Amino acid sequence: QVQLQQSGPGLVKPSQTLSLTCAISGDSVSSNSAAWTWIRQSPSRGLEWLGRTYYKSKWYNDYAVSVKSRITINPDTSMNQFSLRLRSVTPEDTAVYYCAREGVYSARGVIITSYGLGSWGQGTLVTVSS
Amino acid sequence: QSVLTQPPSASGTPGQRVTISCSGSTSNIGSNTVNWYQQLPGSAPKLLIYSDNQGPSGVPDRFSGSKSGTSASLAISGLQSEDEADYYCATWDDGLNGPVFGGGTKLTVL
Repeated sequence: QVQLQQSGPGLVKPSQTLSLTCAISGDSVSSNSAAWTWIRQSPSRGLEWLGRTYYKSKWYNDYAVSVKSRITINPDTSMNQFSLRLRSVTPEDTAVYYCAREGVYSARGVIITSYGLGSWGQGTLVTVSS
Repeated sequence: QSVLTQPPSASGTPGQRVTISCSGSTSNIGSNTVNWYQQLPGSAPKLLIYSDNQGPSGVPDRFSGSKSGTSASLAISGLQSEDEADYYCATWDDGLNGPVFGGGTKLTVL
């Protein structure tokens, strides 16, 4: 059974960088059948997919167009975890942030089939305020 | 405004069958599989249905999914009080090149 444990600050100042980490147990961040994902949820934007990282002979990333210029998702194989960095935050980035495991089938670096987000972290409320 | 359209609310009495709809377009539901999630108050979403109509292990078979064209539906039979939650549909959108979610449907068990 996969478990995801999130950590990181709940308050970030405007223009600074939001950083969260998701520790994985019960699976490997280098798994060929998983994509490691960040999603956020707010009353104004609902559930919003931010991006993912996955391994298929090498590391790949996909990012949402809405945050592509500001986001980085990195795997950490030594700690079996992955992280989210969102730069230049504004109050509109205030949300509950979730990490999740997506079951996938991929080939040649392309995810062909998704089996949904089957495991989720506990969520972290991040408030952007001075 | 969400890319996928769901009714904001639904309701039913214990034992009843309810359905929740999810409407999209040819660039999302019309060409990709649909997943459904249940979110209980104060909790993270939980995968209920994947690949249109497949249930993960541990999910009661009272929950079922279907899809036709650019619309999908979640059906819950034998409604129970613990089914009171928010339900979300999700799928890949070829135009946005990423997953999109519905706005959610709040299910009330009367």
